[in-house]
Amino acid sequence: GQNIDQPTEMTATEGAIVQINCTYQTSGFNGLFWYQQHAGEAPTFLSYNVLDGLEEKGRFSSFLSRSKGYSYLLLKELQMKDSASYLCAVVDSNYQLIWGAGTKLIIKP
Amino acid sequence: DAGITQSPRYKITETGRQVTLMCHQTWSHSYMFWYRQDLGHGLRLIYYSAAADITDKGEVPDGYVVSRSKTENFPLTLESATRSQTSVYFCASKVAGRDTGELFFGEGSRLTVL
Repeated sequence: GQNIDQPTEMTATEGAIVQINCTYQTSGFNGLFWYQQHAGEAPTFLSYNVLDGLEEKGRFSSFLSRSKGYSYLLLKELQMKDSASYLCAVVDSNYQLIWGAGTKLIIKP
Repeated sequence: DAGITQSPRYKITETGRQVTLMCHQTWSHSYMFWYRQDLGHGLRLIYYSAAADITDKGEVPDGYVVSRSKTENFPLTLESATRSQTSVYFCASKVAGRDTGELFFGEGSRLTVL
């Protein structure tokens, strides 16, 4: 079967750095997405990785290792508004999106 | 305003009733999707559509019906609602092609079946 694993919940302090991991086992791989979802709102796109390596976008970076079936989202200089759920999703060989259950990130002052 | 909108945003219904959730997008995106989101689960695909008059089942299609007579609309109907269909439903769209373009989501429709 296909599986995406993420931690259920993480806590971090305002101003700090946090890394949210995502491991996957899917039938094929055509890219990996990270989405942010604030409570009661729709998911919004953060990043997309298809090649190994780090993609940086402001305070957010996303890393991919295809050989390890592993990705992480790195959030720097955490702000209270970063409190949200972070969803990892993999595009499989049929170009279908397989979603993880999401990681709820709690930021404390 | 341009974008993707869902209605109703909140709905309470009773078991056995028919419910239709509406989705409308103004971008002329070819692909549209319906997902449900439940605690402890990732987003689960119910149905999707590659273009007008083309629809296909997703992971959890049972108990749902869709249609797409116009590119901009993609309604989801629960023919006879059950309590297990209590959920948050998200409509999404993306640009055409088998590429991996990002999804744009509507605000969600929160459905409670009593």
